[in-house]
Amino acid sequence: DGGITQSPKYLFRKEGQNVTLSCEQNLNHDAMYWYRQDPGQGLRLIYYSQIVNDFQKGDIAEGYSVSREKKESFPLTVTSAQKNPTAFYLCASSSRAVYGYTFGSGTRLTVV
Amino acid sequence: AQKITQTQPGMFVQEKEAVTLDCTYDTSDQSYGLFWYKQPSSGEMIFLIYQGSYDEQNATEGRYSLNFQKARKSANLVISASQLGDSAMYFCAMRGLIQGAQKLVFGQGTRLTINP
Repeated sequence: DGGITQSPKYLFRKEGQNVTLSCEQNLNHDAMYWYRQDPGQGLRLIYYSQIVNDFQKGDIAEGYSVSREKKESFPLTVTSAQKNPTAFYLCASSSRAVYGYTFGSGTRLTVV
Repeated sequence: AQKITQTQPGMFVQEKEAVTLDCTYDTSDQSYGLFWYKQPSSGEMIFLIYQGSYDEQNATEGRYSLNFQKARKSANLVISASQLGDSAMYFCAMRGLIQGAQKLVFGQGTRLTINP
């Protein structure tokens, strides 16, 4: 079945470390997105990519980086510059279809 | 700027009752789409219903319906005959063209609790 796979499900980061969250899709979607969700809050856009080798900053890109070398993959790196990285991270992809958004199951990142 | 407002942080409803979750939006676009998602405690985002800005009829999907009032810029979700499994966070979202790209903007969410 087609879908989005995010890994790992849980991730613990030490202060000063960079960590990378994986997002893979087999839906043949062109666009991919990374959202951050804090407890009891809505989703905020970190980065998005409409095509391979191209991506743009969202509303809260500081302290994060991404790459889009393959259509299927859109990894997110949380750098040491992100001062408050503890959150739930959701990856999504979309097609040109009217409501073609699909979400992964998320990665819960905790700083220890 | 595009914005979604959900004014109900939490709602408590008796099982089998109908419930309305409020959503208002702000956009200057003529073409946009409105979504409702359900997020259970597991964290996954489950698509519930979609309404396009040019759709004249309110969208319905099983027990879910979207009360779309374009002039008032509201897109309330109505759940009929609520069930215990409906307890979750609910998010209203709007897809619009922002800086040349289609993006999904979310509201703050409403936590719905269904009591037996």
